[in-house]
Amino acid sequence: QVQLVESGGGVVQPGGSLRLSCAASGFTFGSYGMHWVRQGPGKGLEWVAFIRYDESNQYYADSVRGRFTISRDNSKNLLFLHMNSLRPEDTAVYYCAKDAWKSSSFDYWGQGTLVTVSS
Amino acid sequence: AIQLIQSPSSLSASVRDRVTITCRASQGLVNAVAWYQQKPGKTPRLLIYDIYKLESGVPSRFSGSGSGTNFTLTISSLQPEDFATYFCQHYYSYPYSFGQGTKLETK
Repeated sequence: QVQLVESGGGVVQPGGSLRLSCAASGFTFGSYGMHWVRQGPGKGLEWVAFIRYDESNQYYADSVRGRFTISRDNSKNLLFLHMNSLRPEDTAVYYCAKDAWKSSSFDYWGQGTLVTVSS
Repeated sequence: AIQLIQSPSSLSASVRDRVTITCRASQGLVNAVAWYQQKPGKTPRLLIYDIYKLESGVPSRFSGSGSGTNFTLTISSLQPEDFATYFCQHYYSYPYSFGQGTKLETK
């Protein structure tokens, strides 16, 4: 079955960097676009970034553009989110999510990894 | 960027009630609208995509409708396991976005 497992979260100081990973299994990873979505403590869902199946395009939320970079390694079924210049407002659970094959909604989500930006 | 406004933000209801949540977009979305359910401490679950299409495994008491800028999620007969937070989402163009959520609570 489809599994998405995030890792790499932790506590980081403002201005610091972190790299999140998402390990995918149970589907042909290299055939699907992938997303990162975050959820601040007690808050709603915020879409963060997208990468096409072939890495030909990436898109970002205005709040992270220029600071975050999404990438993937299709040979290892891995999705990444490189986060630089982190701010306290980036504190959230970060989920990776898979494009549905029948629409551009998100049919599978990982369990999330918590990023805390605090001094 | 396209904004999505859900209403109400919270809703108290009882088992077997019919419940409707609305989602209004700042511009037309064609059919690029989905609904998700999230329970506390859990991952979001896709319920509805393309406005009205039911995701596999989702009970038929859930339904979606709407067009243009106005969309609704309806639960025809609320069950105990349906008390959760619901989010609408658009995927019409980047950046994608979600509504702020509707928390469905027991009356």
